[in-house]
Amino acid sequence: DVKVTQSSRYLVKRTGEKVFLECVQDMDHENMFWYRQDPGLGLRLIYFSYDVKMKEKGDIPEGYSVSREKKERFSLILESASTNQTSMYLCASSFSRVSTDTQYFGPGTRLTVL
Amino acid sequence: TQLLEQSPQFLSIQEGENLTVYCNSSSVFSSLQWYRQEPGEGPVLLVTVVTGGEVKKLKRLTFQFGDARKDSSLHITAAQPGDTGLYLCAGGDDSNYQLIWGAGTKLIIKP
Repeated sequence: DVKVTQSSRYLVKRTGEKVFLECVQDMDHENMFWYRQDPGLGLRLIYFSYDVKMKEKGDIPEGYSVSREKKERFSLILESASTNQTSMYLCASSFSRVSTDTQYFGPGTRLTVL
Repeated sequence: TQLLEQSPQFLSIQEGENLTVYCNSSSVFSSLQWYRQEPGEGPVLLVTVVTGGEVKKLKRLTFQFGDARKDSSLHITAAQPGDTGLYLCAGGDDSNYQLIWGAGTKLIIKP
């Protein structure tokens, strides 16, 4: 079974702090994604990566950056956290770049910025 | 901009009842996926449909892709408390291989 793990289930940070969210997948998948999920808005894509050191902006990249130094690991960075970044963050991976591929999700990190 | 609208946003019914949730768009998609998300977990894929008019069944769940590939429905027969969760549809576009996500239908099945 594919396993996607995220470094924290819950995180509380203060405004202005730098925040790192880590995601690891164990199935040698090419693609990795970071989404945020807010009630009534569904999943919104922040960034995705289709290869090591490659990244592409999603729909809402402002205020975020990402890093993919190894194939299995994809990190989301909030350079200076703000209260409007309080949300559920979901990491996902998929085998290839075909849209019909299954996306496998981690359990999510619920981030609260005070 | 492609959008997927799901309805209803929230549904609470008794065990044993039937229900249908909808996923609609004005855009054509090359594929449509349905995911279920339980509290505290990430979404899990239920089904992928790729052909207009396609119907797939997963036990008591029936998924249909519209003939024009702009909409989809999920029908649950004799709902069980284990069906409780957030149901998300996601449209696939092969031109950019990203998924377009609906906002979800929160389903509660009461014993």
